[in-house]
Amino acid sequence: DGGITQSPKYLFRKEGQNVTLSCEQNLNHDAMYWYRQDPGQGLRLIYYSQIVNDFQKGDIAEGYSVSREKKESFPLTVTSAQKNPTAFYLCASSIAEASLARGHQFFGPGTRLTVL
Amino acid sequence: AQTVTQSQPEMSVQEAETVTLSCTYDTSESDYYLFWYKQPPSRQMILVIRQEAYKQQNATENRFSVNFQKAAKSFSLKISDSQLGDAAMYFCAYRKIMNRDDKIIFGKGTRLHILP
Repeated sequence: DGGITQSPKYLFRKEGQNVTLSCEQNLNHDAMYWYRQDPGQGLRLIYYSQIVNDFQKGDIAEGYSVSREKKESFPLTVTSAQKNPTAFYLCASSIAEASLARGHQFFGPGTRLTVL
Repeated sequence: AQTVTQSQPEMSVQEAETVTLSCTYDTSESDYYLFWYKQPPSRQMILVIRQEAYKQQNATENRFSVNFQKAAKSFSLKISDSQLGDAAMYFCAYRKIMNRDDKIIFGKGTRLHILP
């Protein structure tokens, strides 16, 4: 079955540590996205990538980093510079051309990150 | 910049009744997509319905329909015959059609409670 997987489902981190969240898709989508979700804030875009080896900052990129070495994978690293990293993180993918995808993004099940 | 506003943080409806969730947006574009996404307690984001701005006819998907008022920049979601499984967070979202690098902009969400 095609879809997006995120791992782990729950992640705990000590202050000062970097941590990497995994996102893999087998939908053959060019574009991938990382969102952060906080209560009452909706979804906020962290980073996105339209093509391998290229990515752009979203609205809240500070304290995060990404890589896009393969089409299927778009890992997100939460660095120690991120002051308030406890949140729910969602990965999404789509066909890059919005008109072909009819705009829709497919979402993974999410990772809940808690800083202890 | 485009914005999406959901003015109702929470709503409740009796099972089998009809409820309407409100959404307004701001854009200077003429062509775009609008979406309603559902996020149940599992936190998996699910596309409920989409509307292309160039289509005058309101989109419908079974018990879900929209009232799209382009001039007023309004995009409300009507859920008929509400069921317990409809309880979730609902996000209104916007995406431009033409720009390859563009992204989806989400509202802050409306939490819908279904009363048995």
